[in-house]
Amino acid sequence: DAGVTQSPTHLIKTRGQQVTLRCSPKSGHDTVSWYQQALGQGPQFIFQYYEEEERQRGNFPDRFSGHQFPNYSSELNVNALLLGDSALYLCASSIPSSYNEQFFGPGTRLTVL
Amino acid sequence: AQTVTQSQPEMSVLEAETVTLSCTYDTSESDYYLFWYKQPPSRQMILVIRQEAYKQQNATENRFSVNFQKAAKSFSLKISDSQLGDAAMYFCAYRGITGAGSYQLTFGKGTKLSVIP
Repeated sequence: DAGVTQSPTHLIKTRGQQVTLRCSPKSGHDTVSWYQQALGQGPQFIFQYYEEEERQRGNFPDRFSGHQFPNYSSELNVNALLLGDSALYLCASSIPSSYNEQFFGPGTRLTVL
Repeated sequence: AQTVTQSQPEMSVLEAETVTLSCTYDTSESDYYLFWYKQPPSRQMILVIRQEAYKQQNATENRFSVNFQKAAKSFSLKISDSQLGDAAMYFCAYRGITGAGSYQLTFGKGTKLSVIP
Protein backbone atom coordinates (compact mmCIF):
# COMPACT_ATOMS: atom_id res chain seq x y z
CA ASP A 1 0.00 0.00 0.00
CA ALA A 2 1.64 3.19 -1.19
CA GLY A 3 1.64 6.05 1.22
CA VAL A 4 1.37 9.71 0.30
CA THR A 5 3.54 10.57 -2.67
CA GLN A 6 4.67 13.98 -3.85
CA SER A 7 6.39 15.24 -6.96
CA PRO A 8 8.84 16.61 -7.73
CA THR A 9 11.27 16.02 -4.87
CA HIS A 10 13.18 19.22 -5.49
CA LEU A 11 12.48 22.28 -7.58
CA ILE A 12 14.39 25.47 -8.33
CA LYS A 13 12.57 28.52 -9.69
CA THR A 14 13.29 32.22 -10.08
CA ARG A 15 11.33 35.11 -8.66
CA GLY A 16 8.12 35.90 -10.52
CA GLN A 17 7.72 32.41 -11.94
CA GLN A 18 4.87 30.04 -11.28
CA VAL A 19 5.12 26.51 -9.86
CA THR A 20 2.86 23.47 -9.55
CA LEU A 21 3.41 20.78 -6.95
CA ARG A 22 1.60 17.46 -7.00
CA CYS A 23 0.33 15.06 -4.37
CA SER A 24 -1.23 11.60 -4.47
CA PRO A 25 -2.98 10.64 -1.24
CA LYS A 26 -2.71 7.37 0.60
CA SER A 27 -5.01 4.70 -0.76
CA GLY A 28 -8.54 5.13 0.58
CA HIS A 29 -8.01 8.74 1.63
CA ASP A 30 -10.22 11.47 0.19
CA THR A 31 -8.94 14.60 1.94
CA VAL A 32 -5.72 16.43 1.14
CA SER A 33 -4.06 19.19 3.14
CA TRP A 34 -1.05 21.28 2.19
CA TYR A 35 1.51 22.75 4.57
CA GLN A 36 4.48 25.07 4.11
CA GLN A 37 7.54 24.41 6.27
CA ALA A 38 10.15 27.14 6.21
CA LEU A 39 13.69 26.25 7.28
CA GLY A 40 13.88 25.78 11.04
CA GLN A 41 10.13 26.20 11.52
CA GLY A 42 7.13 23.98 12.04
CA PRO A 43 4.72 23.38 9.17
CA GLN A 44 2.05 26.00 8.55
CA PHE A 45 -1.36 25.09 7.16
CA ILE A 46 -2.07 26.41 3.66
CA PHE A 47 -5.40 24.81 2.81
CA GLN A 48 -7.39 21.59 2.74
CA TYR A 49 -9.32 20.00 -0.11
CA TYR A 50 -12.29 17.66 0.22
CA GLU A 51 -14.70 16.60 -2.50
CA GLU A 52 -12.77 18.76 -4.98
CA GLU A 53 -13.50 21.91 -2.97
CA GLU A 54 -11.28 24.05 -0.78
CA ARG A 55 -12.74 23.42 2.66
CA GLN A 56 -10.46 25.52 4.83
CA ARG A 57 -7.65 28.00 4.19
CA GLY A 58 -4.85 29.22 6.37
CA ASN A 59 -3.28 32.67 6.37
CA PHE A 60 -1.76 32.55 2.89
CA PRO A 61 -2.25 35.01 0.02
CA ASP A 62 -4.26 34.29 -3.09
CA ARG A 63 -1.03 33.55 -4.96
CA PHE A 64 -1.40 30.13 -3.39
CA SER A 65 -4.14 28.10 -5.01
CA GLY A 66 -4.98 24.46 -5.32
CA HIS A 67 -7.04 21.85 -6.97
CA GLN A 68 -8.30 18.38 -6.18
CA PHE A 69 -9.11 15.88 -8.89
CA PRO A 70 -11.83 13.20 -8.92
CA ASN A 71 -9.22 10.58 -8.00
CA TYR A 72 -8.46 12.69 -4.86
CA SER A 73 -4.98 13.69 -6.00
CA SER A 74 -4.16 17.35 -5.59
CA GLU A 75 -2.05 20.19 -6.94
CA LEU A 76 -0.65 23.24 -5.20
CA ASN A 77 0.01 26.24 -7.43
CA VAL A 78 2.02 29.27 -6.44
CA ASN A 79 2.09 32.32 -8.71
CA ALA A 80 4.50 35.25 -8.79
CA LEU A 81 7.08 33.45 -6.66
CA LEU A 82 8.91 35.40 -3.96
CA LEU A 83 12.19 34.54 -2.28
CA GLY A 84 10.19 33.93 0.89
CA ASP A 85 8.28 31.11 -0.77
CA SER A 86 11.40 28.93 -0.51
CA ALA A 87 10.37 26.10 1.78
CA LEU A 88 9.48 22.45 2.09
CA TYR A 89 5.91 21.88 0.95
CA LEU A 90 4.19 18.97 2.65
CA CYS A 91 1.06 17.21 1.57
CA ALA A 92 -1.01 15.22 4.04
CA SER A 93 -3.98 12.97 3.39
CA SER A 94 -6.72 11.74 5.68
CA ILE A 95 -10.22 10.31 5.86
CA PRO A 96 -13.13 11.74 7.85
CA SER A 97 -12.94 10.08 11.25
CA SER A 98 -12.84 11.01 14.89
CA TYR A 99 -9.07 11.18 14.73
CA ASN A 100 -8.82 12.55 11.21
CA GLU A 101 -5.21 11.42 11.37
CA GLN A 102 -3.12 13.09 8.70
CA PHE A 103 -0.49 11.01 6.89
CA PHE A 104 2.31 13.09 5.41
CA GLY A 105 4.28 12.75 2.23
CA PRO A 106 8.04 13.35 1.97
CA GLY A 107 7.56 16.88 0.70
CA THR A 108 8.79 18.99 -2.19
CA ARG A 109 11.74 21.28 -1.53
CA LEU A 110 11.18 24.54 -3.42
CA THR A 111 14.03 26.98 -3.82
CA VAL A 112 13.31 30.42 -5.27
CA LEU A 113 16.33 32.34 -6.56
CA ALA B 1 -6.34 31.32 17.51
CA GLN B 2 -4.54 28.35 18.92
CA THR B 3 -0.79 28.49 19.49
CA VAL B 4 1.73 25.78 20.25
CA THR B 5 5.04 26.54 21.93
CA GLN B 6 8.11 24.31 22.15
CA SER B 7 10.67 26.06 24.31
CA GLN B 8 13.57 23.67 23.71
CA PRO B 9 15.12 24.21 20.26
CA GLU B 10 17.61 21.39 20.84
CA MET B 11 17.97 18.49 23.24
CA SER B 12 20.42 15.64 23.54
CA VAL B 13 20.25 12.28 25.29
CA LEU B 14 22.60 9.37 25.79
CA GLU B 15 21.63 6.14 24.11
CA ALA B 16 19.41 3.99 26.39
CA GLU B 17 18.60 6.97 28.62
CA THR B 18 15.31 8.84 29.00
CA VAL B 19 14.51 12.31 27.67
CA THR B 20 11.48 14.58 27.98
CA LEU B 21 10.46 17.13 25.36
CA SER B 22 8.22 20.01 26.44
CA CYS B 23 5.20 21.54 24.75
CA THR B 24 2.64 24.09 25.87
CA TYR B 25 -0.38 25.30 23.98
CA ASP B 26 -3.06 27.91 24.19
CA THR B 27 -6.70 27.32 23.32
CA SER B 28 -10.16 28.36 24.46
CA GLU B 29 -11.65 25.04 23.44
CA SER B 30 -12.45 22.33 25.95
CA ASP B 31 -12.00 19.38 23.64
CA TYR B 32 -9.23 18.84 21.11
CA TYR B 33 -6.46 16.50 20.02
CA LEU B 34 -2.75 16.81 20.67
CA PHE B 35 -0.03 15.04 18.70
CA TRP B 36 3.70 14.50 18.63
CA TYR B 37 5.23 14.07 15.18
CA LYS B 38 8.77 12.98 14.35
CA GLN B 39 10.57 14.35 11.28
CA PRO B 40 13.83 12.54 10.51
CA PRO B 41 16.33 13.86 7.94
CA SER B 42 14.28 12.06 5.28
CA ARG B 43 11.72 14.87 5.92
CA GLN B 44 8.67 12.63 6.19
CA MET B 45 6.48 13.48 9.17
CA ILE B 46 5.63 10.40 11.22
CA LEU B 47 2.98 10.35 13.93
CA VAL B 48 4.51 9.26 17.23
CA ILE B 49 1.61 9.54 19.64
CA ARG B 50 -1.75 11.29 20.06
CA GLN B 51 -3.87 12.35 23.02
CA GLU B 52 -7.55 13.23 23.20
CA ALA B 53 -8.14 16.07 25.63
CA TYR B 54 -11.25 14.45 27.12
CA LYS B 55 -9.21 11.43 28.21
CA GLN B 56 -7.45 11.89 31.51
CA GLN B 57 -5.24 8.86 31.00
CA ASN B 58 -1.90 9.67 29.42
CA ALA B 59 -1.28 7.99 26.07
CA THR B 60 1.57 5.51 25.65
CA GLU B 61 3.07 3.86 22.57
CA ASN B 62 5.86 1.44 23.41
CA ARG B 63 8.85 3.59 24.50
CA PHE B 64 6.92 6.83 24.00
CA SER B 65 4.56 8.31 26.56
CA VAL B 66 3.06 11.71 27.27
CA ASN B 67 2.39 13.75 30.36
CA PHE B 68 -0.83 15.63 29.59
CA GLN B 69 -1.72 18.39 32.05
CA LYS B 70 -4.94 19.92 30.72
CA ALA B 71 -5.29 22.68 33.30
CA ALA B 72 -1.72 23.77 32.71
CA LYS B 73 -2.08 23.30 28.93
CA SER B 74 1.07 21.22 28.90
CA PHE B 75 1.81 18.18 26.76
CA SER B 76 5.30 16.70 27.16
CA LEU B 77 6.75 13.67 25.41
CA LYS B 78 8.92 11.16 27.25
CA ILE B 79 11.16 8.84 25.27
CA SER B 80 12.50 5.90 27.26
CA ASP B 81 15.46 3.71 26.34
CA SER B 82 16.49 6.18 23.62
CA GLN B 83 17.81 4.67 20.40
CA LEU B 84 19.97 6.15 17.67
CA GLY B 85 16.97 6.03 15.35
CA ASP B 86 15.10 8.44 17.63
CA ALA B 87 17.33 11.29 16.48
CA ALA B 88 15.07 13.70 14.59
CA MET B 89 13.05 16.89 14.82
CA TYR B 90 10.02 16.47 17.06
CA PHE B 91 6.94 18.62 16.58
CA CYS B 92 4.05 19.10 18.94
CA ALA B 93 0.74 19.76 17.17
CA TYR B 94 -2.82 20.73 18.06
CA ARG B 95 -6.10 20.07 16.29
CA GLY B 96 -9.57 21.19 17.31
CA ILE B 97 -12.60 18.95 17.36
CA THR B 98 -15.24 21.15 15.76
CA GLY B 99 -15.48 23.84 13.14
CA ALA B 100 -12.66 25.24 11.07
CA GLY B 101 -10.07 24.28 13.65
CA SER B 102 -10.81 20.62 13.12
CA TYR B 103 -9.36 20.66 9.62
CA GLN B 104 -5.84 21.84 10.31
CA LEU B 105 -2.91 20.97 12.50
CA THR B 106 -1.18 23.81 14.34
CA PHE B 107 2.47 22.99 14.93
CA GLY B 108 5.14 24.24 17.28
CA LYS B 109 8.59 25.20 16.00
CA GLY B 110 10.07 21.85 16.89
CA THR B 111 12.81 20.37 19.07
CA LYS B 112 15.88 18.82 17.49
CA LEU B 113 16.78 15.66 19.40
CA SER B 114 20.28 14.22 19.19
CA VAL B 115 21.08 10.76 20.54
CA ILE B 116 24.65 10.26 21.69
CA PRO B 117 26.07 6.72 21.39
